[in-house]
Amino acid sequence: KNQVEQSPQSLIILEGKNCTLQCNYTVSPFSNLRWYKQDTGRGPVSLTIMTFSENTKSNGRYTATLDADTKQSSLHITASQLSDSASYICVVSGASGGSYIPTFGRGTSLIVHP
Amino acid sequence: KAGVTQTPRYLIKTRGQQVTLSCSPISGHRSVSWYQQTPGQGLQFLFEYFSETQRNKGNFPGRFSGRQFSNSRSEMNVSTLELGDSALYLCASSAGGGLGTDTQYFGPGTRLTVL
Repeated sequence: KNQVEQSPQSLIILEGKNCTLQCNYTVSPFSNLRWYKQDTGRGPVSLTIMTFSENTKSNGRYTATLDADTKQSSLHITASQLSDSASYICVVSGASGGSYIPTFGRGTSLIVHP
Repeated sequence: KAGVTQTPRYLIKTRGQQVTLSCSPISGHRSVSWYQQTPGQGLQFLFEYFSETQRNKGNFPGRFSGRQFSNSRSEMNVSTLELGDSALYLCASSAGGGLGTDTQYFGPGTRLTVL
């Protein structure tokens, strides 16, 4: 069964600090891995998309890494801001016969305090 | 360029009724995907449409159906509503690659409450 596990479930950090969120998956065959940011009451916003051959992708202060061998990904947030307070969701899509089925993690809730 | 719009934003129905939700993608986008988000299950993929054809489908019962029109607008229908169908229904559009490697842009969602 395809699964995506995220840790920690929640995280509280001070403004200006860095943090790293983890995502482990068992989706097979692997197509791509995405990280989303979802503010309360809003739809998710895409941060990064990585395929099998990519091991690092950056988007401003957000840097995602992918280790396809260990089936692990991380999202590193640098110099956190109050606006980074949100849920961060890891999504892994499996591909089979031209079809893509995304499996979502439960998300990490990040709170940035001033 | 206008973002993804979903109507209505809020909806209250009773068990056994049916409901239709609408999604208008970003202009020029041809792929529309639908998702269900609940506190218990998180986000789950329902289906994806591209050029009026269902291209990918998640693991939901047949009560959940959708369609896409020639202008790429999409509708999702849920028949015989159950209490467990209460959720935020999100749609996302992308240029064409959809769930492959295209960036997906999400709408604000429709909050459905089933009483």
